[in-house]
Amino acid sequence: AQKVTQAQTEISVVEKEDVTLDCVYETRDTTYYLFWYKQPPSGELVFLIRRNSFDEQNEISGRYSWNFQKSTSSFNFTITASQVVDSAVYFCALSESTGNQFYFGTGTSLTVIP
Amino acid sequence: DTAVSQTPKYLVTQMGNDKSIKCEQNLGHDTMYWYKQDSKKFLKIMFSYNNKELIINETVPNRFSPKSPDKAHLNLHINSLELGDSAVYFCASSQDPRLTLSYNEQFFGPGTRLTVL
Repeated sequence: AQKVTQAQTEISVVEKEDVTLDCVYETRDTTYYLFWYKQPPSGELVFLIRRNSFDEQNEISGRYSWNFQKSTSSFNFTITASQVVDSAVYFCALSESTGNQFYFGTGTSLTVIP
Repeated sequence: DTAVSQTPKYLVTQMGNDKSIKCEQNLGHDTMYWYKQDSKKFLKIMFSYNNKELIINETVPNRFSPKSPDKAHLNLHINSLELGDSAVYFCASSQDPRLTLSYNEQFFGPGTRLTVL
């Protein structure tokens, strides 16, 4: 079973629109960690955020915000006022306390149209 | 300073050849990883090493052999390359997640695009 599901394969928005990327995870651990990574067209993987399972406080960083809800096992990522430079593939990932590997979602490809 | 570096960035080779990809990290991390990213962008872990000890060995053909001469290096050697090996291979490192109270993120190298003809 897929531990991390990113149901949106591709999203296109017009510049300055807000966009939310969904991430649903599955784990039986009570302690776990969630991550978002960005992969721009240049190909590198850029770390964006880490959240542990005991911290449900939402986080905002500039135009980026993350909504962690344990009740729905979701860790969604919102970009407000999107820009062309936001065009990338975004990966959500899960790590459980019982192991030391990441489980990556299949990624959401975001295209911001000028 | 580059945190996680990989060489080469591009590798084009013929089927049946043997090739190696090198990875080095200067972050002082104890744990290193190899991932394969296929053409559909799916990222899958292949190996994980902690202090030169193999921790994770996912279902990967035994043509793939990781080698860790020290904790700052994790090289990937591939024998008898096949067309299906064409992918982007990422090296990553992190602090030992078994020791830290808070799981730390993995830092990724720039990737090596392997093309097998």
